[in-house]
Amino acid sequence: RKEVEQDPGPFNVPEGATVAFNCTYSNSASQSFFWYRQDCRKEPKLLMSVYSSGNEDGRFTAQLNRASQYISLLIRDSKLSDSATYLCVVTHSNYQLIWGAGTKLIIKP
Amino acid sequence: NAGVMQNPRHLVRRRGQEARLRCSPMKGHSHVYWYRQLPEEGLKFMVYLQKENIIDESGMPKERFSAEFPKEGPSILRIQQVVRGDSAAYFCASSPLPGQGFGELFFGEGSRLTVL
Repeated sequence: RKEVEQDPGPFNVPEGATVAFNCTYSNSASQSFFWYRQDCRKEPKLLMSVYSSGNEDGRFTAQLNRASQYISLLIRDSKLSDSATYLCVVTHSNYQLIWGAGTKLIIKP
Repeated sequence: NAGVMQNPRHLVRRRGQEARLRCSPMKGHSHVYWYRQLPEEGLKFMVYLQKENIIDESGMPKERFSAEFPKEGPSILRIQQVVRGDSAAYFCASSPLPGQGFGELFFGEGSRLTVL
């Protein structure tokens, strides 16, 4: 079993729709969680950190479920510019992040 | 304020040659991380360096790969005697804080190595 698992997609979603991704992790000692966004052949960029209480940033909402060891990302009112690969990232130790392989999202007009 | 600078952006090598990838962190950042990404896969941690020190190289292959971050100049990831399996995108990231789990990592645009 991979340490961080994501549905690779692609998720094909019409513009304006709401889409949600889940990510499961295996290390129950993980403390920090992040969602990064990676455009095709570009570098990853931090989208948002995920806090225990859940957090929202505009159209994006992140949730953490420690009991079930998963984090989620919800995107409301999706835009064409949201098309990207979304990477789930979990701390392994103080010095290491474990990266999921990413979920590809395609927003269609 | 320049971001993380990586060069070359694209590098083509023949099997058996050496590849040197360079990374200049963001100004004020003294923590550098190297990652490798294969197509359709997530990033794989390779090494974490501070100035003149290797803090964690647990993700580095035991042979042919080395990294340094000298007191002056960029961090360098060196791959000797490249093989086709080394073809990948190599990303460098930097942070102002120690360790990767304490905040945002800032990534360079990556160096894409192709081994013929």
